[in-house]
Amino acid sequence: QVQLVESGGGMVQPGRSLRLSCAASGFTFSSYRMHWVRQAPGSGLEWVAGISFDGSIENHADSVKGRFTISRDNSKDTLYLQMNSLRAEDTAVYYCARDYLGLGYWGQGTLVTVSS
Amino acid sequence: QSALTQPRSVSGSPGQSVTISCIGTSSDVGGYNYVSWYQKNPGKAPKVMIYDVSQRPSGVPDRFSGSKSGNTASLTISGLQAEDEGDYYCCSYAGSSTLVFGGGTKVTVL
Repeated sequence: QVQLVESGGGMVQPGRSLRLSCAASGFTFSSYRMHWVRQAPGSGLEWVAGISFDGSIENHADSVKGRFTISRDNSKDTLYLQMNSLRAEDTAVYYCARDYLGLGYWGQGTLVTVSS
Repeated sequence: QSALTQPRSVSGSPGQSVTISCIGTSSDVGGYNYVSWYQKNPGKAPKVMIYDVSQRPSGVPDRFSGSKSGNTASLTISGLQAEDEGDYYCCSYAGSSTLVFGGGTKVTVL
């Protein structure tokens, strides 16, 4: 069965960096476009970044452009989100999602808290 | 990348129908037939209820339906049930391989 498992979240000070991982299993990871979506406390869902099946095309929301970078390692079936220059407003649960028939599969999410 | 516009809340009695609107622009909702809808409950991952405007994934009850007219997409829940309570989000492709979500709508079953 399809599984997406995020890891790497935690508490970090403003201005610091964090890298999230999303380990995929149960499907051919290298065949699917993937995304990161976040939900800040008390707020709605926000698309963060997406990457093509082969990693050749990546896009980021304006709110994170220049600070966050999405990437993937198809040999490891893993999606990444490198988050630099973190701000308090980046505090959220971060989900990875597979792009097929909508965002058909999601991970359980990993919490990132940016606070001094 | 402006969020799509959804009503904050809708409510209905069991058995009634409710419709959630999702207003975008010609650069997102109106420009592509890639609107999807997600149910989100606290502590759980979002679940896709509708994709490609009106397609229902297997396992989603047929009381959920989607449509689009111009820059506005809609999700209708017919025969509302208690288990349908939750937050619902629309999402549209917005060009250049980007996505945009709506602000979310809280569905309450009275």
